Amino acid sequence: NAGVMQNPRHLVRRRGQEARLRCSPMKGHSHVYWYRQLPEEGLKFMVYLQKENIIDESGMPKERFSAEFPKEGPSILRIQQVVRGDSAAYFCASSPVNRAASSTDTQYFGPGTRLTVL
Amino acid sequence: GDSVTQMEGPVTLSEEAFLTINCTYTATGYPSLFWYVQYPGEGLQLLLKATKADDKGSNKGFEATYRKETTSFHLEKGSVQVSDSAVYFCALGANTDKLIFGTGTRLQVFP
Repeated sequence: NAGVMQNPRHLVRRRGQEARLRCSPMKGHSHVYWYRQLPEEGLKFMVYLQKENIIDESGMPKERFSAEFPKEGPSILRIQQVVRGDSAAYFCASSPVNRAASSTDTQYFGPGTRLTVL
Repeated sequence: GDSVTQMEGPVTLSEEAFLTINCTYTATGYPSLFWYVQYPGEGLQLLLKATKADDKGSNKGFEATYRKETTSFHLEKGSVQVSDSAVYFCALGANTDKLIFGTGTRLQVFP
């Protein structure tokens, strides 16, 4: 069973360009989460998606950032007009469908995409 | 709001020493608690978890007990190895589905 796949592993963009980060969840998982890790910091939640729905985007910056998880294909995190402060590692995680109402299901993380903005 | 506080690193130990990395949390309700490990240049791997008070999670010689009375989930290992050198993250998951992470503790083990 393949794990969570992310690509590219490394992405270099110049200021003002667009960055597209892809995430394929584990087989059988329909919940996807995106987190951002700034240098020397912990991970910060960005967005939680299920197929074709955004469930929680409370951690997403209001501008330039968007995410989708279409019925077919990977989840995409899109950053428009990147700035140097967007340089970070972006991690995707997935979890399966069923969980107890009172607990959080285990999230399985991908290897991350390291974005560098020049 | 919910939060996680970890001891600052780096923690530097000799091989076979005893390890403790402290983690305390603040949360409403009954969160699940996790320890994740991040090796250099890699993503996070789940190390262990506990879903209710007094549960003990264990894996690869690491242990942590969910202590509701002290709101803690300290990570311990009786005898560390050089290969344990990594960054360790404590996290909580409440019924909002997202994980809230501590800032991470870097462990360096020397032979």
